[in-house]
This record gives sequence, structure tokens and C-alpha cells, in this order.
Amino acid sequence: GQNIDQPTEMTATEGAIVQINCTYQTSGFNGLFWYQQHAGEAPTFLSYNVLDGLEEKGRFSSFLSRSKGYSYLLLKELQMKDSASYLCAVGLSWGKLQFGAGTQVVVTP
Amino acid sequence: ETGVTQTPRHLVMGMTNKKSLKCEQHLGHNAMYWYKQSAKKPLELMFVYSLEERVENNSVPSRFSPECPNSSHLFLHLHTLQPEDSALYLCASSQGTGGPGQTEAFFGQGTRLTVV
Repeated sequence: GQNIDQPTEMTATEGAIVQINCTYQTSGFNGLFWYQQHAGEAPTFLSYNVLDGLEEKGRFSSFLSRSKGYSYLLLKELQMKDSASYLCAVGLSWGKLQFGAGTQVVVTP
Repeated sequence: ETGVTQTPRHLVMGMTNKKSLKCEQHLGHNAMYWYKQSAKKPLELMFVYSLEERVENNSVPSRFSPECPNSSHLFLHLHTLQPEDSALYLCASSQGTGGPGQTEAFFGQGTRLTVV
């Protein structure tokens, strides 16, 4: 079957680091996406990995291991505005995305 | 305007009503999508259009009827919906038809639909 798993919720303090793990089992794979979604807003693109390894983009980094079906999103120097849901998604044919249920990150002062 | 625009932002409809959701993208993309987002559930793909042709219908009930008159516009026609269809309906667009090096999808703000 097709499955994308990520934790439901994570809490961290301002300035800290949080790592959101995602494991996947899908029938196709055209890369692994991470999106951020604030309550009541559209998901916005954060990162894309198609090859194994780490991609760094400012405070956010994403890692992929295709052989393990595993990715993580690393958020550094957390800010209050980073409180949001983080969605892991596998890219499939026709540009489709298969999403996990999302990880709600709560940043506390 | 830029990006992906959806109207209306909020919609309340009775089970016997007919309504339509509209999506417009100003990004020059050639693929458009409808997703459904229900509370505590992953975003679910409903329909995929590539170059104005429907390439996938993800087992969606016939009370949801999509229409793509051109590469910039996508509609979702709704009729005789059920209360369990209440959800956030998101439109997205992307460039290309997928494959390694897939480009990211851009999402609209969504239509919050309530069926009463």
C-alpha cells in the first residue's frame, strides 16, 4: 500500500532546532517535497529533494535517503512565525503529490 | 494578479444546491489540480488536468464535476453534496507532467466549503 508517515505534533522553544521526520512507501517516486501551511492559508513550498543527501536553504534544510524511504526537515533558529503545519509529500506522475497528514509545530517563547 | 487565485473563499450550500468553485493561475503552468483537505486527514488528490485534458480522476464521486476550459482556469462543479463533503478545497498548478526533477506545485488559498 501507499503510506507517508510523520509525527502529528512537535513543540520547541524559540531559537531551538526541530527535526521533522517523514517515512514513505509509495508505488512511484519523483522526489520528496516539504510544504509549510499556516492555519487557514495555502500550503507554500519549502524544499525538494530528488537525490540522496542534504539540501540547505537558509534556516531550513531537508535530507533524503531513497534506499530507506526517509526524509527529514530541519528547522534551525526557530522563530514564533515558524508555528505551522509542515507537510511531507511524495511527487508522482503528472506532477501529483501524495501527502502525509502533516506535523503541527508549536514554537513557544 | 499573480499566483493561483480561488473564488469564493468561503461557501455554505444546502444539499440540493448547485455551485461552482473557480481557480485561476497566472504562472503559465500546464497542469492544474484539485485537492481536498479535511480536518486531521492528509490532503487528498481529486483531479489532475494536464494541457487541459483530465489525466486522473482519483475515484471521486460524480457529485463533483471538474472542468478545465483552458490552461489558466479550472472549475469544480458541485451538486447534491453531503455534509461529509465539507472541507477545504485547494487548487494547485505546476509546470510539466512529472518525472525526475519535478517542479513544485503552487497552491491557491482554498475554498472553505460547508454543506448544511
